[in-house]
Amino acid sequence: DIQMTQSPSSLSASVGDRVTITCRASQSIRTNLNWYQQKPRKAPKLLIYAASTLQSGVPSRFSGSGFGTDFTLTISSLQPEDFATYYCQQTYSIPWTFGLGTKVE
Amino acid sequence: QVQLQESGPGLVKPSQTLSLTCTVSGGSISSGNYYWSWIRQPAGKGLEWIGRIYTSGSTNYNPSLKSRVSISADTSKNQFSLKLNSVTAADTAVYYCARVGYSSGWYEVDYWGQGTLVTVSS
Repeated sequence: DIQMTQSPSSLSASVGDRVTITCRASQSIRTNLNWYQQKPRKAPKLLIYAASTLQSGVPSRFSGSGFGTDFTLTISSLQPEDFATYYCQQTYSIPWTFGLGTKVE
Repeated sequence: QVQLQESGPGLVKPSQTLSLTCTVSGGSISSGNYYWSWIRQPAGKGLEWIGRIYTSGSTNYNPSLKSRVSISADTSKNQFSLKLNSVTAADTAVYYCARVGYSSGWYEVDYWGQGTLVTVSS
């Protein structure tokens, strides 16, 4: 299985801050990397797919980058509704695997 | 707008079979370039992909569960289902059904059900 390692596991930030979350794959996954946002007691929501493509309806303050094994999710200016947990997911090979999450608080 | 809704028992006894159904509205499970998937999340933990079924009916499963899991579809009802055999307390989780879009080699889970909590306990 491809292991996905996210860092940090949690971070403290304020409204207006620039936030960067990293995700590292245990082997190359090219750009088969998705990012999701999850709020308490809610299903995850797709933010970014194919490493850098913004899902329709997602604010442009979210962006993704990376190729191979190293990826980042950036929130350019944190908004109150962005306090949540973020997960990366690889879909390069079965089984699809997720990172353990980064809680933004 | 595609919507997914999980249904099934919220409590299952150890060693028995967990059975869940996902009803899809706003789109057909038998058309388009989509997979239909199950994903679970134990309380306070991360997400685990269980498996997927394609519009053709072909399936793929997480090897960690492969011997116990089965996903099937009923196109006449626009539903797909999950069966997990020989459950233990470790299978207690919120179970999500989801749609997976596929294009140009990329997959993304673009629609999720609200999730249903299944507790394994005697």
